[in-house]
Amino acid sequence: GENVEQHPSTLSVQEGDSAVIKCTYSDSASNYFPWYKQELGKRPQLIIDIRSNVGEKKDQRIAVTLNKTAKHFSLHITETQPEDSAVYFCAASKGNQGGKLIFGQGTELSVKP
Amino acid sequence: NAGVTQTPKFQVLKTGQSMTLQCAQDMNHNSMYWYRQDPGMGLRLIYYSASEGTTDKGEVPNGYNVSRLNKREFSLRLESAAPSQTSVYFCASRELRSSYEQYFGPGTRLTVT
Repeated sequence: GENVEQHPSTLSVQEGDSAVIKCTYSDSASNYFPWYKQELGKRPQLIIDIRSNVGEKKDQRIAVTLNKTAKHFSLHITETQPEDSAVYFCAASKGNQGGKLIFGQGTELSVKP
Repeated sequence: NAGVTQTPKFQVLKTGQSMTLQCAQDMNHNSMYWYRQDPGMGLRLIYYSASEGTTDKGEVPNGYNVSRLNKREFSLRLESAAPSQTSVYFCASRELRSSYEQYFGPGTRLTVT
């Protein structure tokens, strides 16, 4: 079945620096790739997503890139702020299977002031 | 709109006891999902319901059953709880046709002793 690998598992950056989190997926039929942010004790919340018909999407300080040939996608956060500290999850989905998501293991991002 | 709601928020069970986790959404979504979250393992899909009247197994269905009671409600039942089922359980929903985004409930923290 589908497998999603996420790296690194922890990431520490200084405020103002950029952070990059990478994911690879195994099923070439996957066509939807969301990123979720989860603060301690809270529910996951979607921060950005990309479909397989585009290579890059940007929303203010957050961007996601997708390389379908290599089957990997990345989350880029620029000008990091302490409130960006959280656990980030990538996921992959095939639209024709009820929308079920397969998640990566998560990256704990710490932004130091 | 309340979005996705889950009850209870916390629960402690003894090994062998049974219980049902309740989930409801008021967004008129077609698809609903149950995930479990364990430290270092991300979210794993237990069962999902692509539409009212259908349910399917996810990655880790053993030891669980589900019921899609109506379009709003999707319950998860543990017939004979085991310590390995200690986890945080999240319910999610999605409007399958118009959007790929899944909306998560606040979670249920379950401890089995």
